[in-house]
Amino acid sequence: KQEVTQIPAALSVPEGENLVLNCSFTDSAIYNLQWFRQDPGKGLTSLLLIQSSQREQTSGRLNASLDKSSGRSTLYIAASQPGDSATYLCAVSGSNYKLTFGKGTLLTVNP
Amino acid sequence: DAGVIQSPRHEVTEMGQEVTLRCKPISGHNSLFWYRQTMMRGLELLIYFNNNVPIDDSGMPEDRFSAKMPNASFSTLKIQPSEPRDSAVYFCASSLGTSGGAGDTQYFGPGTRLTVL
Repeated sequence: KQEVTQIPAALSVPEGENLVLNCSFTDSAIYNLQWFRQDPGKGLTSLLLIQSSQREQTSGRLNASLDKSSGRSTLYIAASQPGDSATYLCAVSGSNYKLTFGKGTLLTVNP
Repeated sequence: DAGVIQSPRHEVTEMGQEVTLRCKPISGHNSLFWYRQTMMRGLELLIYFNNNVPIDDSGMPEDRFSAKMPNASFSTLKIQPSEPRDSAVYFCASSLGTSGGAGDTQYFGPGTRLTVL
């Protein structure tokens, strides 16, 4: 059974800092990995999707990497801003379409 | 596009009552997912539809839960009878549905916060 772990559970940083969120998964036979953002009381917004054949994806200040063999992914956020404050969720998909989610990292960026 | 639409946004009901949650997926999307989110268990997939057909309902907790998708633009998740432990946020998501849905980005609705007293 696939299990996804995210570390740390919470992170507080000053504005402008670069930061890394970590995600690990137990079964390396994944189809893709996605990073989502969830704001309080809102749904999830997809940030980046990395196919299993890819090593990384970039969108603006966000960069996600994938090391499938070691079961790890990182989300790098450059020059963090208060608007980046949210919960970040990592999810992996097997060939059976099911997304297995981690419990998320609550990020607070302080002005 | 308006995105995935869910109603109601909040529902408070008493134990034993029937609850119906509604979802309108993004037009043109062929896959629809219902998830439940709780503090203890995080996000869990309840059921997955592809082309209006339930493909996998193994995540449905018990017989009190049922889901339907009568057409491509509408789905319901029903709980009857409801219990306090059903209190959670229920999300609906949709995707294009290519490759059986495995490779597609899922787009989430805002969720329905259910409280069962």
